[in-house]
Amino acid sequence: GQQLNQSPQSMFIQEGEDVSMNCTSSSIFNTWLWYKQDPGEGPVLLIALYKAGELTSNGRLTAQFGITRKDSFLNISASIPSDVGIYFCAGQPILSSGSARQLTFGSGTQLTVLP
Amino acid sequence: DTGVSQDPRHKITKRGQNVTFRCDPISEHNRLYWYRQTLGQGPEFLTYFQNEAQLEKSRLLSDRFSAERPKGSFSTLEIQRTEQGDSAMYLCASSETGSSLGFEQFFGPGTRLTVL
Repeated sequence: GQQLNQSPQSMFIQEGEDVSMNCTSSSIFNTWLWYKQDPGEGPVLLIALYKAGELTSNGRLTAQFGITRKDSFLNISASIPSDVGIYFCAGQPILSSGSARQLTFGSGTQLTVLP
Repeated sequence: DTGVSQDPRHKITKRGQNVTFRCDPISEHNRLYWYRQTLGQGPEFLTYFQNEAQLEKSRLLSDRFSAERPKGSFSTLEIQRTEQGDSAMYLCASSETGSSLGFEQFFGPGTRLTVL
């Protein structure tokens, strides 16, 4: 099946620092999505990417869809305490049938912001 | 609030019992998904509906699992004869139909299942 490698697994940063995390895939993806999940809650969609090379921002968050269609990164600038959580990349692989809508998720990056 | 809702939020059951979870999607979304998430992992796809039709099932969905969406609105996920390995967070998501927006899946808060 599809595999997404997400790194780093965890990060400890000082408040105000920038942070970067990325995902790579063994196969081509049609769409990349980035989610944030707080403990005991469902993932919340942060950014969606649809085109290779696309760079999209949402406030202090910036994400890019890699030109090979096999990777994506997420940057958070000027981190604040409420950025704490688990960040997941998710992608939809290109399938010949075109009918599948399932997302494949990475294993997450646990972000801790120290005051 | 017009987000995805799930009920119950927590369920504790004994091994061998049956459990049923409910998901209410965002009202204008006709696609609905179920995922399972275990500790330290990302969500894993279980099944997908477009309106009332169940279009995809993962191999993770054993014959003890059944999902329905009888009127194309809310959905239920039933697990029969629960096993300890079924303990997980069960997440529901919904999305619109359409070229790009159909890929944006919005998740509910999840149902945390603990099988004793």
